[in-house]
Amino acid sequence: DAGVIQSPRHEVTEMGQEVTLRCKPISGHDYLFWYRQTMMRGLELLIYFNNNVPIDDSGMPEDRFSAKMPNASFSTLKIQPSEPRDSAVYFCASRGQETQYFGPGTRLLVL
Amino acid sequence: KNEVEQSPQNLTAQEGEFITINCSYSVGISALHWLQQHPGGGIVSLFMLSSGKKKHGRLIATINIQEKHSSLHITASHPRDSAVYICAVDANFGNEKLTFGTGTRLTIIP
Repeated sequence: DAGVIQSPRHEVTEMGQEVTLRCKPISGHDYLFWYRQTMMRGLELLIYFNNNVPIDDSGMPEDRFSAKMPNASFSTLKIQPSEPRDSAVYFCASRGQETQYFGPGTRLLVL
Repeated sequence: KNEVEQSPQNLTAQEGEFITINCSYSVGISALHWLQQHPGGGIVSLFMLSSGKKKHGRLIATINIQEKHSSLHITASHPRDSAVYICAVDANFGNEKLTFGTGTRLTIIP
């Protein structure tokens, strides 16, 4: 398996633009997690899905953030409109029976 | 007070030294994870444990549930072990959320 795949790996955008981050989990994994990592706050869970259903989105910072998982092999995290304080590395992770496997992350810079 | 605390925050050691990183937590947990994040940014899960001890190569992880404490040990440390090591817990809140420590930055000098 190729592991968790995220795209794009880097994104530079201007404030106010819409940003869409994509994730392909490991086949067969039931759980998918979206995390954000910043220097100030470290790793934070934004939202997680179980069998494509959002279970806990209490970590989503504001209504500007939304996440979907239309099927077992694809998820998106959207920020609209983006702001400079959204600049961070966004990780997607999937989990089967035990441990989580992290994707390489998307480094987002909002100017 | 953070629910998960790690010590030290930074650790520099000479190649070959025995390394210990500590993690204390204040909540009931179902499992504890040790993660490794290399300078390039990728995160790798090293261990998941709920009791006792696990070993993988030169890495050993232990947990004491009663004392709410875990340690990650690295034997015969090598410069390639330089990374940030993150402790995370599966708290007993009836969900799958991980609570993360702030990480320990380890630098091994040749």
